Amino acid sequence: DGGITQSPKYLFRKEGQNVTLSCEQNLNHDAMYWYRQDPGQGLRLIYYSQIVNDFQKGDIAEGYSVSREKKESFPLTVTSAQKNPTAFYLCASYKTGTPYGYTFGSGTRLTVV
Amino acid sequence: AQSVSQHNHHVILSEAASLELGCNYSYGGTVNLFWYVQYPGQHLQLLLKYFSGDPLVKGIKGFEAEFIKSKFSFNLRKPSVQWSDTAEYFCAVKTSYDKVIFGPGTSLSVIP
Repeated sequence: DGGITQSPKYLFRKEGQNVTLSCEQNLNHDAMYWYRQDPGQGLRLIYYSQIVNDFQKGDIAEGYSVSREKKESFPLTVTSAQKNPTAFYLCASYKTGTPYGYTFGSGTRLTVV
Repeated sequence: AQSVSQHNHHVILSEAASLELGCNYSYGGTVNLFWYVQYPGQHLQLLLKYFSGDPLVKGIKGFEAEFIKSKFSFNLRKPSVQWSDTAEYFCAVKTSYDKVIFGPGTSLSVIP
């Protein structure tokens, strides 16, 4: 079955360490997105990518980096510059030009201690 | 900057009451509009979407939403809520550049 796979589901890191969250999709979707979900703040867009080798900053890109070397993959790195990295991270994908909504991954809960 | 606002942070209703959740966006171009629901402990699910045509769209589980272009609004409605509708509801807007922005969410609690 097609879908989006985020791994790991739970991730613990020490403060000051960079960490990379994986997002892979086999839906042949062009666009991929990373969101951060915090209680009471909904989903905030970190980065998105419409095509391979291109990506755009979202509303809260500071302290994060991404790459899009393959259509299927859109990893997110949470760097030590991110001041409050503990959150739930959601990846989504979308086939541009179609009347469909997103497909969401199951999320990664990152805890920085 | 584009933004999406939702009128209520938390709504509490009794079963069988009618529901209307407000959503407004700020973007002057062509938009696609979505409502998503997140039940406790579950993933986000698409309730309904508007791309073009009839501004009144019907979704799953008896929900509907009306797109009013002049008001930049896309309010979600349900005539009679059930306890199982307790969830968090997110409005989302996709701009012509494929940027998708979510509102802050409205938490709905339905009391049996």
